[in-house]
This record gives sequence, C-alpha cells and structure tokens, in this order.
Amino acid sequence: GQNIDQPTEMTATEGAIVQINCTYQTSGFNGLFWYQQHAGEAPTFLSYNVLDGLEEKGRFSSFLSRSKGYSYLLLKELQMKDSASYLCAVRNAGKSTFGDGTTLTVKP
Amino acid sequence: DGGITQSPKYLFRKEGQNVTLSCEQNLNHDAMYWYRQDPGQGLRLIYYSQIVNDFQKGDIAEGYSVSREKKESFPLTVTSAQKNPTAFYLCASSMATSGSYEQYFGPGTRLTVT
Repeated sequence: GQNIDQPTEMTATEGAIVQINCTYQTSGFNGLFWYQQHAGEAPTFLSYNVLDGLEEKGRFSSFLSRSKGYSYLLLKELQMKDSASYLCAVRNAGKSTFGDGTTLTVKP
Repeated sequence: DGGITQSPKYLFRKEGQNVTLSCEQNLNHDAMYWYRQDPGQGLRLIYYSQIVNDFQKGDIAEGYSVSREKKESFPLTVTSAQKNPTAFYLCASSMATSGSYEQYFGPGTRLTVT
C-alpha cells in the first residue's frame, strides 16, 4: 500500500524560513515531487528528487532520504504569495500518490 | 500557447445523471491523468493513460469511465454509480509516466451533484 504523511497546517512569518516535511511508506519508489497549490487553483510543479540529497531551485529546496522514507521542502525568504498548500507526491510504476497537503499561511 | 484545458469550470447535475468532463492538451504529452480532490485532501487518482487507446484504473476508479481515442483528449465520465460525485476534478498530463517528467494540471472542473 501507499502512505504519505504531511503536517496539515503550518504558519510562518514573512521573510522567514520554513521546512515542510513529508514521510512516505510505499511499495515502490521512482521519485518524489513537490507541488504548490493556491486555493481553488491547479497544482504547479516545484521540485523533483530521485536520488538522496538536496536539490536547490532559487528560494525553494527539496531534500530526499530514500532509506528513511523522508523528504522536506525548504522555503526561504518567505513572501505573502507563498501562502498555499504544498503537496508531496511519490511516483511508483507510472502512478503518483499524493499526500493530503500542508497548508502554509505566511503572516506579515 | 501550450497547455491543458478543462471545461466547464463549474458543472451542476442532478443525481442519477451521467456527466462527461472534458480534458484537452496540446503539449504533445503521451501520459494523461484524472484526479479527484475533496476539501482539505490531496489528489486521488481515478484513471490514467500512458498511450492512446490504453488506460489503467487508479485508486478510486469505481463509478467512473474514460476513453483515450486521441493523444490530445482524455474525457472522464462520472456515472450514476459513483456514490459521492461532488468534488473538484483535475486533469493532468506529462511527457511520460517515468523519469523526472512532472505533471501539468488543467484548471479543474468543480462538479456539484444534487
């Protein structure tokens, strides 16, 4: 079976750094994706990890540890527009299983 | 401009009626997907297709049907057998179902069945 866990909600302050964790237990693994979804809109791609380590892309970084079934998304220099839901998704055999998402609220 | 279109944005139906949701992409992607999203939850996979004329059930296929007669199109029919059809439906596509190819999502269709 597939099980993906993320915190339901997080709050952070504008300009700060926030780390959103994702743990997974899946029958197979072909990569982990992070997507951002603003309320009422479609998800958009943020990052992809398939090997252990950190992938950096501007203000966003994503880390993966396959042995621990663990990933995190790091957002730096938070802006108000970063208030959104962040979805972790694990790909296995052509299908992606999504977590329930973490709703991040950025406060001034 | 390349992208994915879904229509309509809002759809209202009476219980017992079948309804078909449209999804078209001009990204030349081989793979297409249908997801359902309920409030406060993530995306759950209904069906996916890796190539034309072929598709596989996802995790919650009961009460739904699809077709993939053209590369660009992957319509989803919500049948009267679906017990709780009111939800936000998202269509997505990707270059392939393997590798680092991310999914591109359409704007979604919000279906309300009363």
